[in-house]
Amino acid sequence: GENVEQHPSTLSVQEGDSAVIKCTYSDSASNYFPWYKQELGKRPQLIIDIRSNVGEKKDQRIAVTLNKTAKHFSLHITETQPEDSAVYFCAASMGGGNKLTFGTGTQLKVEL
Amino acid sequence: GAVVSQHPSRVICKSGTSVKIECRSLDFQATTMFWYRQFPKQSLMLMATSNEGSKATYEQGVEKDKFLINHASLTLSTLTVTSAHPEDSSFYICSARTERAGDGTDTQYFGPGTRLTVL
Repeated sequence: GENVEQHPSTLSVQEGDSAVIKCTYSDSASNYFPWYKQELGKRPQLIIDIRSNVGEKKDQRIAVTLNKTAKHFSLHITETQPEDSAVYFCAASMGGGNKLTFGTGTQLKVEL
Repeated sequence: GAVVSQHPSRVICKSGTSVKIECRSLDFQATTMFWYRQFPKQSLMLMATSNEGSKATYEQGVEKDKFLINHASLTLSTLTVTSAHPEDSSFYICSARTERAGDGTDTQYFGPGTRLTVL
């Protein structure tokens, strides 16, 4: 089955700096890669996703890049703010309606 | 749009009792819902895929007789933890599959989760 690895497990940045979280996946059949933000005790919130026919997608301060050949994808957050502090999970699946395999999560802390 | 609710949000029960958790899609129909379990500071682990009108598909290592799933309608799936024990204490989260407004892409939206504590 699919296996998703995520790095780093913790990330601390200064407010205004950029943050990058990286994930790799094992199943070349996976073609849908969402990113979720989860605050403590809350539900995961979809923040951005990308499909395999696209190499990059951007939404304001958030961007995701995908390298299908290398089987890795990354989340980029620019101009970080304290409210960006949360746990971020990447995931992979064979289509949005199929089951998601999650990475292990990255605890992002944005310091003032 | 695409709101998923769960009930209860928190439950404390004695060892040996059964607990039912409801997952509802409030403004859309969901033929497929998913049940996850999340332990503190860990990732979400898929337990089972729930399909309306058919039996759930369980992930390897998840006991189907212990975690009963029923998806009786297009807006409701239930997870029953039978004979709960302290090791079943966890955060249980459901998600529902639907088409996203705007681009129509198929994606999953999560419920707020249920914190189960078994004494």
